[in-house]
Amino acid sequence: SQQGEEDPQALSIQEGENATMNCSYKTSINNLQWYRQNSGRGLVHLILIRSNEREKHSGRLRVTLDTSKKSSSLLITASRAADTASYFCATDAFRSNYQLIWGAGTKLIIKP
Amino acid sequence: NAGVTQTPKFRVLKTGQSMTLLCAQDMNHEYMYWYRQDPGMGLRLIHYSVGEGTTAKGEVPDGYNVSRLKKQNFLLGLESAAPSQTSVYFCASKRAGTDTQYFGPGTRLTVL
Repeated sequence: SQQGEEDPQALSIQEGENATMNCSYKTSINNLQWYRQNSGRGLVHLILIRSNEREKHSGRLRVTLDTSKKSSSLLITASRAADTASYFCATDAFRSNYQLIWGAGTKLIIKP
Repeated sequence: NAGVTQTPKFRVLKTGQSMTLLCAQDMNHEYMYWYRQDPGMGLRLIHYSVGEGTTAKGEVPDGYNVSRLKKQNFLLGLESAAPSQTSVYFCASKRAGTDTQYFGPGTRLTVL
């Protein structure tokens, strides 16, 4: 079953603009991660935020977590063509520290 | 470091044929995972392993078998392929006590 649901499913913006993607989940979590997948490639870890954190930054990435709303957002500032990819959130959901539960992803297209 | 590698990259099977997908990692990770990714969906866990000689079922294990005879290798077998198993298969690994999973480049399997 899908725990995370990303919104929007697809997003197309101009290079230089900011891109915001959202993820909602259903159960309590220990942490939430964001991964990027370039077309035809494997997933690459971007950033992890723990349940006791509200915001985290890494370069041009900013992640927020609202555990009361069971939602997270990923902001990419000053987007570049190389940011074109699909972005997935994944949660551990307390039930297992071995497994992640994945959303369906947001497809981001950066137009030059 | 090669990271996580998968062979083959592409494969076409006829219904009823069998095959084995190989995943290898050189990071000495304890945990390894097999996922499938279908259009419009997130990753779904097929099987996973928490150490050499151990395997466990994930969300969608039916029609697949796995083996972890060596710590660095995790094999995924399809005994009698079905068209519903047409998908992109990803292997991932992670170190015990950490949260980040490292992914291979994927195997695109088509079952006719």
